[in-house]
Amino acid sequence: QKEVEQDPGPLSVPEGAIVSLNCTYSNSAFQYFMWYRQYSRKGPELLMYTYSSGNKEDGRFTAQVDKSSKYISLFIRDSQPSDSATYLCAMRKGSSGDKLTFGTGTRLAVRP
Amino acid sequence: DTAVSQTPKYLVTQMGNDKSIKCEQNLGHDTMYWYKQDSKKFLKIMFSYNNKELIINETVPNRFSPKSPDKAHLNLHINSLELGDSAVYFCASSPQGYTEAFFGQGTRLTVV
Repeated sequence: QKEVEQDPGPLSVPEGAIVSLNCTYSNSAFQYFMWYRQYSRKGPELLMYTYSSGNKEDGRFTAQVDKSSKYISLFIRDSQPSDSATYLCAMRKGSSGDKLTFGTGTRLAVRP
Repeated sequence: DTAVSQTPKYLVTQMGNDKSIKCEQNLGHDTMYWYKQDSKKFLKIMFSYNNKELIINETVPNRFSPKSPDKAHLNLHINSLELGDSAVYFCASSPQGYTEAFFGQGTRLTVV
């Protein structure tokens, strides 16, 4: 069993839909949680970063962490075709220097 | 201004050859990483350096040797390339005390 599980998709939604992306993990030592967006043939870019449990909102994006359930989510409101990409969850135990453990990524397609 | 830059972007080479990938970051970060992304988009840590010192060395074959001449550069040398080495290799960096990593655009290595 992988440390971080993520449904690979693909997930196809119409423009304007609310998108929910999720990851589960098995290691309770993870404290820092991130979502990266990766466009085709590009490097991952950081979207959201959360420490421990709770919610964080940034524009159309909301990240949620539930450490008791070992479950994290990314919500995208009013999805746009430009949101079409692969979304990778990532987490780490300690601060800088510790490795990021990634999910396999969910491919999202937003239809105009 | 490119924050984390890798060269080359594409690399096609024959089995058995030796090749190097270079990475430079101009963000002033202390920590640099090499990640490998396979055909299923799974990103896995290979190495991590903090201020030129190796701190993470995952179970990577000895044919892979990282070198950090200074904290702004982390190069990856691969000896005796094999078909299974074909992947996208990402360099990343993060600042001391922070958890998020910033990625380069990747080097797509194809071994034929």
